[in-house]
Amino acid sequence: DAGITQSPRHKVTETGTPVTLRCHQTENHRYMYWYRQDPGHGLRLIHYSYGVKDTDKGEVSDGYSVSRSKTEDFLLTLESATSSQTSVYFCAISIDSRENTGELFFGEGSRLTVL
Amino acid sequence: GQNIDQPTEMTATEGAIVQINCTYQTSGFNGLFWYQQHAGEAPTFLSYNVLDGLEEKGRFSSFLSRSKGYSYLLLKELQMKDSASYLCAVRDSNYQLIWGAGTKLIIKP
Repeated sequence: DAGITQSPRHKVTETGTPVTLRCHQTENHRYMYWYRQDPGHGLRLIHYSYGVKDTDKGEVSDGYSVSRSKTEDFLLTLESATSSQTSVYFCAISIDSRENTGELFFGEGSRLTVL
Repeated sequence: GQNIDQPTEMTATEGAIVQINCTYQTSGFNGLFWYQQHAGEAPTFLSYNVLDGLEEKGRFSSFLSRSKGYSYLLLKELQMKDSASYLCAVRDSNYQLIWGAGTKLIIKP
């Protein structure tokens, strides 16, 4: 158990509203990731972080921003949610001692519906 | 472009053996991963291959051929709890993971 929790687990919102998803880890791992998962697609990387205040874009970063002010928290923000952002969002970490294998540990997921 | 192909769905019988294939075309190669994902849950790590050959871990084995851009996951003595999606992912030259869309495995009694 890598001690990852996501909140909220489920959220329904309306188009145009801001949404923030939180990922919290208890073990101070450096690398954290946000993915989205949609039917017919592989997991797609939105943003990732390699330390406090150190973040970078993934392949589907448009419409999303992230912040990491503390090692344990990685926030994903949709500034103005759109229906195309309806998805399941997964936070993941890679265990520092195993970075050379790329093994990821995932949170339980946050299901977001934008009406 | 980068691409990972795996079958969308497969069906197998409890107690049998099933092989799930994955072919990839990526910019460089730094390892191939298999993850298991039960419906409504998070993916969990199964195996990692970086050199050609077979890696065995209990009932699960994973094979890699880098020259062919090909891997398979072999599941033996299938159990009902093996019903899940199996995700293939390749780490490219930039150490980014490229994911396949997953193979949904249905186990029938």
